[in-house]
Amino acid sequence: AQTIHQWPVAEIKAVGSPLSLGCTIKGKSSPNLYWYWQATGGTLQQLFYSITVGQVESVVQLNLSASRPKDDQFILSTEKLLLSHSGFYLCAWSLQGAGNTLYFGEGSRLIVV
Amino acid sequence: GEQVEQLPSILRVQERSSASINCTYENSASNYFPWYKQEPGENPKLIIDIRSNMERKQIQGLIVLLDKKAKRFSLHITDTQPADSAMYFCAASAWATGGNNKLTFGQGTVLSVIP
Repeated sequence: AQTIHQWPVAEIKAVGSPLSLGCTIKGKSSPNLYWYWQATGGTLQQLFYSITVGQVESVVQLNLSASRPKDDQFILSTEKLLLSHSGFYLCAWSLQGAGNTLYFGEGSRLIVV
Repeated sequence: GEQVEQLPSILRVQERSSASINCTYENSASNYFPWYKQEPGENPKLIIDIRSNMERKQIQGLIVLLDKKAKRFSLHITDTQPADSAMYFCAASAWATGGNNKLTFGQGTVLSVIP
């Protein structure tokens, strides 16, 4: 069975500080990987996607970056946090190809103060 | 790209009645329509989905309908229980450039089932 693990579960960070969120998928080789962001009470917005190791595409510009250093690992980061970065960050995976189910990790909650 | 509109944003129903959530989409190439349930503080979980080669799908008390001509799909929860109270999201998926299996989500519906 596939498992998806995100870390940390929650963080409180200061404006201007760096951030790194991680995601690991086990039990599935070469999945598509995604980062989504959700403001409190809001909808889910796709930030990045990756179809293979070392290749990440940005969907929206939010002063964030993402990397896929290994087939099963996806990292979201920034060097300088903004207040607007607060929210719920969700890593997700799907099989490659159109119309495949998206499975979300448990999420990382970020509060920027 | 795709845009998905979801209504209503808030829905309150009596226990054991039915609840309906409606979504519309713009991209006629969209071919996969999942529904997610999100409890407070948790991640969204897939509850039911429908593909463009179907018009109706039912899993126990959940029914989804798809009208491709009208670009409209809906979720119907029959015999609601307090445990059904949550945020619900519809989504539409179309094949995007670069291999992105992109899901575009609606704005969400907060469902409250009143005992």
